[in-house]
Amino acid sequence: DVKVTQSSRYLVKRTGEKVFLECVQDMDHENMFWYRQDPGLGLRLIYFSYDVKMKEKGDIPEGYSVSREKKERFSLILESASTNQTSMYLCASSWKGAYEQYFGPGTRLTVT
Amino acid sequence: QKEVEQDPGPLSVPEGAIVSLNCTYSNSAFQYFMWYRQYSRKGPELLMYTYSSGNKEDGRFTAQVDKSSKYISLFIRDSQPSDSATYLCAMSDAGGTSYGKLTFGQGTILTVHP
Repeated sequence: DVKVTQSSRYLVKRTGEKVFLECVQDMDHENMFWYRQDPGLGLRLIYFSYDVKMKEKGDIPEGYSVSREKKERFSLILESASTNQTSMYLCASSWKGAYEQYFGPGTRLTVT
Repeated sequence: QKEVEQDPGPLSVPEGAIVSLNCTYSNSAFQYFMWYRQYSRKGPELLMYTYSSGNKEDGRFTAQVDKSSKYISLFIRDSQPSDSATYLCAMSDAGGTSYGKLTFGQGTILTVHP
């Protein structure tokens, strides 16, 4: 079974803090994705990566950065957390050329 | 206008009902259409996958794609309380540089009560 794990299920941070969200997949997938999910807005793509050290901006990259130093690991970084970044963050992965994405359980981040 | 529109509901039906979930889209380049199901406090998981137009059936679930109307549907027959979840439509174009990017609808919250 494909497994995508995320470092935390719940996280509370203060405004201005630097926040790291980690995602690890165990299926040797080339593609990895970070989304945020908000009520009424669905899933919105923040960044994705199609190879190690490669990254592409998604639809809402402002205020975020990413890092992919190893194939199995994709990190999302909030450089200076703000209250409008309070959200559910979902990581996903997929094989190259495939459209089925496998999701982790999500991290609910609250910024106070 | 969003590229993909989905009625967020919530939708509440009695057990055994036929459920119809729908999405419309504006990008005519979309070729791959998916439905994901997301249970509370879990990540989405793929339920149905269709390429181009037509119908696809899997047990109690039927996915329909009408590309001429830019409209996709998911039907659930004989709905069960275990079908209670958020259903998300997702779609992608066949572009070589898309890297499998998906565009999601807002999700419909479905509750099936006994």
